[in-house]
Amino acid sequence: AQTVTQSQPEMSVQEAETVTLSCTYDTSENNYYLFWYKQPPSRQMILVIRQEAYKQQNATENRFSVNFQKAAKSFSLKISDSQLGDTAMYFCAFMKYGNAGNMLTFGGGTRLMVKP
Amino acid sequence: GAGVSQSPSNKVTEKGKDVELRCDPISGHTALYWYRQSLGQGLEFLIYFQGNSAPDKSGLPSDRFSAERTGGSVSTLTIQRTQQEDSAVYLCASSLVRSNQPQHFGDGTRLSIL
Repeated sequence: AQTVTQSQPEMSVQEAETVTLSCTYDTSENNYYLFWYKQPPSRQMILVIRQEAYKQQNATENRFSVNFQKAAKSFSLKISDSQLGDTAMYFCAFMKYGNAGNMLTFGGGTRLMVKP
Repeated sequence: GAGVSQSPSNKVTEKGKDVELRCDPISGHTALYWYRQSLGQGLEFLIYFQGNSAPDKSGLPSDRFSAERTGGSVSTLTIQRTQQEDSAVYLCASSLVRSNQPQHFGDGTRLSIL
């Protein structure tokens, strides 16, 4: 079984600054995917960024980037130039590799507040 | 196109009653997932449907929980004899069945058991 741990229940950052959210996971799988999802008060889970474990290059999406350390089983999310709209719960998630689809295993979440 | 649609948005019911929650996935998505999110917590997997294959029910917490998916599209999650600990947000997601395809989530149903 897989486990995902987010050790920071809450974080805050000033608008325009950079913040890093931590995530560690435990698995015996060699091939898998990692995701960061954002959940604003509207409840909808929005995909922020994803990483394939077989890729060494860290994924980036505009202001969002990850630091994927496979040996350490670490997958942190960096948000640059934070904006007020980034205020939300952020969930790290793990998915086993497979062509048939698979369930996501989520961490407990980090509540991020961006302050003006 | 339209995203994942869930209904009702909110449901309040008395302990002991049965409830049905509905999920309409994105057209063409053959994989459908149900998750439960208790207050202030992460998401917990409940059940997974993929095409005509037998569903993965490994996450259902008790035999009071069941789900079906008719015609490979709409899914209904049923909770019988509801208990107060069933109070949570129930989220549905769908995806294409190819490697690395992300799951797209609905807005969820907030279930409150009095």
